[in-house]
Amino acid sequence: GAGVSQSPSNKVTEKGKDVELRCDPISGHTALYWYRQRLGQGLEFLIYFQGNSAPDKSGLPSDRFSAERTGESVSTLTIQRTQQEDSAVYLCASTLHRATNEKLFFGSGTQLSVL
Amino acid sequence: AQRVTQPEKLLSVFKGAPVELKCNYSYSGSPELFWYVQYSRQRLQLLLRHISRESIKGFTADLNKGETSFHLKKPFAQEEDSAMYYCALLDTDKLIFGTGTRLQVFP
Repeated sequence: GAGVSQSPSNKVTEKGKDVELRCDPISGHTALYWYRQRLGQGLEFLIYFQGNSAPDKSGLPSDRFSAERTGESVSTLTIQRTQQEDSAVYLCASTLHRATNEKLFFGSGTQLSVL
Repeated sequence: AQRVTQPEKLLSVFKGAPVELKCNYSYSGSPELFWYVQYSRQRLQLLLRHISRESIKGFTADLNKGETSFHLKKPFAQEEDSAMYYCALLDTDKLIFGTGTRLQVFP
C-alpha cells in the first residue's frame, strides 16, 4: 500500500475484554512504532521494533499491553482486560531504518473506546 | 529525564500575523528535534527537523541550546496553517512528543 495502514479505525469494547489492533507498515520499512494519544495529551511512546532486534518495550504502561511483529511486516498490539483509561487513539508509525533523521510515516490510528 | 514541553494548548492569530509556537526540551546530550503537524482529517506528518535547517511552508525553527528551546516560527500566518503542531525529541531511536499546540488562524 501507499502508506501505513491501521485496522480497525474504530473499536468499541467493554471493560475487561481483550482487543487486538493491527498495523501494516510501509513495505520495506524496518522500524515500526506504536504510540498512544489520550484525549488532550501528547503522543505517548509504547513500543519500537527494529528489524530482528529485540523490541524496545520501555513505554508499555502495564503487563496488559503486548505487541508482536512478524519479521518486517505486520504488527499487532494487544490489550488484555481493557480498562476505561485505555481509551485513546493508538497510532502506528514506520520508517525505513530508524528515527534518526528519518521521518516517521504515521497511520491514521485506531480510536479505542472502552465502555 | 527526557522531556518535551509545549506550554500553549491553543494559539489563535489572525491571517498575516506572526506566529511562534513554543517548545522547550530536557535532554542530557546533543538533541535532535523535530516538528510534526496534523491538519484536520489528515495524518500526523513531519514538518521540519532542526538538523536540516530548512524552511517548510514558511516555517522555521532554530535550536537554542542555552534556552533549551526549539520554537517554531512563521512571519505571516495563513489560514491553511491551522492545525495541531507537535514538537518531538529523538531519544535513542524513538521520538518523544510534546502535548501539542493547536494553531487557529482566523481570516
